[in-house]
Amino acid sequence: GDSVTQTEGPVTVSESESLIINCTYSATSIAYPNLFWYVRYPGEGLQLLLKVITAGQKGSSRGFEATYNKETTSFHLQKASVQESDSAVYYCALGENYNQGKLIFGQGTKLSIKP
Amino acid sequence: GGIITQTPKFLIGQEGQKLTLKCQQNFNHDTMYWYRQDSGKGLRLIYYSITENDLQKGDLSEGYDASREKKSSFSLTVTSAQKNEMAVFLCASSIRVNSDYTFGSGTRLLVI
Repeated sequence: GDSVTQTEGPVTVSESESLIINCTYSATSIAYPNLFWYVRYPGEGLQLLLKVITAGQKGSSRGFEATYNKETTSFHLQKASVQESDSAVYYCALGENYNQGKLIFGQGTKLSIKP
Repeated sequence: GGIITQTPKFLIGQEGQKLTLKCQQNFNHDTMYWYRQDSGKGLRLIYYSITENDLQKGDLSEGYDASREKKSSFSLTVTSAQKNEMAVFLCASSIRVNSDYTFGSGTRLLVI
């Protein structure tokens, strides 16, 4: 079936260090997968961080980047230098261009940044 | 800017009780969704509605009913709450199908 697996949390990184949160997907019934990263900051609702709808393309937002790799079925989230304000829960999600907007989410990765 | 509001924020129910969660948005979005999140798991789709008076079942619809009487609101009913059930229910809306979501802040459910 269709599924998303991401780095098991919690993850703790020191400020200014680099970050990678892994995300791999299985899209057996989705012809044209779209890939998303959502984020929930403390006390706030879930919000879209970035998305990529075309294989091989890279999305970026707030210093984060993710590349849609169809060969490895991956969409890892990376940041070169994290800040304390990046502490949040990050969710990788899979959707289909021609489906009724349904998204399949990973389990979430809680990220804490040490000052 | 608009807002999507879920009520109540916290809901404590008893086993077997019928419980209703409400979601309102003033974005004038066509499509609305209800997701459930259990601790340590991803969000799972319960119901969605493409437009007013439309209802579509998601993967987790058993045990739930939904209602979209008007464009701005989408209600979810737990038909019979299960003892020790604990989850967060998230409502989302999008301008149309396949557009980006805006999420509400969630309703936390605890069944005793």
